Amino acid sequence: KQEVTQIPAALSVPEGENLVLNCSFTDSAIYNLQWFRQDPGKGLTSLLLIQSSQREQTSGRLNASLDKSSGRSTLYIAASQPGDSATYLCAVRVGNNDMRFGAGTRLTVKP
Amino acid sequence: GAVVSQHPSWVICKSGTSVKIECRSLDFQATTMFWYRQFPKQSLMLMATSNEGSKATYEQGVEKDKFLINHASLTLSTLTVTSAHPEDSSFYICSARDRGDHFGNGTRLTVT
Repeated sequence: KQEVTQIPAALSVPEGENLVLNCSFTDSAIYNLQWFRQDPGKGLTSLLLIQSSQREQTSGRLNASLDKSSGRSTLYIAASQPGDSATYLCAVRVGNNDMRFGAGTRLTVKP
Repeated sequence: GAVVSQHPSWVICKSGTSVKIECRSLDFQATTMFWYRQFPKQSLMLMATSNEGSKATYEQGVEKDKFLINHASLTLSTLTVTSAHPEDSSFYICSARDRGDHFGNGTRLTVT
């Protein structure tokens, strides 16, 4: 059974810092990995999708990497802003099965 | 593209009543949709996999007679919470799959 772990559970940083969120998974035979953002009481916003054959994806200030062999992914946020404050979820898909989610990292960026 | 619409966004109902939540893929067809549940400050937990034209597959511990899922077309899946109780209060999110998984905005259910 796929287990997804996210570290840290919570993170508070001053505005402007670069930061890294970590995600690890137990089954390396994944189809893809996706990073989401969730604001309190809201749904999911997809940030980056990495297919199993890819090693990284970039969108603006966000960069996500994938190392299947070690079962790890990182989400790098450059020059953090207060508007980046949210919970970040990592999810992996194995074959045609559902996506398995980590518990998330709750990020607070202080002005 | 790949928009999933989920309705209602929130609902309050009395204990013992039933509530239906709709999940629609607006610009693509989805043979598979998923229903998740999220408790406060916890992550999403899969409840069931909904396949068009066939019975849903439920995760262990999810009561199929309580959480009725119907996937009658390639663009619509519904989740009906029957005889709702306060412990069913939660945030329910659906996703629809084409090449990726696309999520609705969720439904906040409060049972009083």
